[in-house]
Amino acid sequence: GAVVSQHPSWVICKSGTSVKIECRSLDFQATTMFWYRQFPKQSLMLMATSNEGSKATYEQGVEKDKFLINHASLTLSTLTVTSAHPEDSSFYICSAPDRIMNTEAFFGQGTRLTVV
Amino acid sequence: AQSVAQPEDQVNVAEGNPLTVKCTYSVSGNPYLFWYVQYPNRGLQFLLKYITGDNLVKGSYGFEAEFNKSQTSFHLKKPSALVSDSALYFCAVRGTGRRALTFGSGTRLQVQP
Repeated sequence: GAVVSQHPSWVICKSGTSVKIECRSLDFQATTMFWYRQFPKQSLMLMATSNEGSKATYEQGVEKDKFLINHASLTLSTLTVTSAHPEDSSFYICSAPDRIMNTEAFFGQGTRLTVV
Repeated sequence: AQSVAQPEDQVNVAEGNPLTVKCTYSVSGNPYLFWYVQYPNRGLQFLLKYITGDNLVKGSYGFEAEFNKSQTSFHLKKPSALVSDSALYFCAVRGTGRRALTFGSGTRLQVQP
């Protein structure tokens, strides 16, 4: 099956710094990628939809200036958490839909972000 | 708007017994339904999906799910549980015109030896 690779798998950063998370589709092209956030013992909440060559679409309540998304190519989307604070600590997961059937979603391994 | 409900936070079952993890959904148009499993600090692993066709869908690791349109349900089942099945299970739905998945709150499955 298709593979989505997410990097890093975990990161610890200081408050006020920025962190970049990468999401790559390894064996297929993804014009769209989704970024989710998961709090401990909770479900995945869609943050934004990343679109190759255009601006990302953010869900209501998600600060676009804080969570910068760039979809520079058909195989790479990045999420940058700017000026991170402890409340940004979470598990972030990206996914890409099956482009042909437009049904299934393939998920990255996730990134555990801890802001201290 | 589309939504998914997983009414059970946790399901406990003895190894070798059948298991059921419940899921109901609400969506406009025909639903695309999915089950994913998540192990600690890992991404989601795809188990199975219903797009169209037979209501009984067979997936990975011996899991299956039954689509019931009248009850808007898509319960996950396995005839004989394994301890290694212990994990967090998510039901998800995608409706017409929206490519992102909406997830349920998740159900933790605990299989006791």
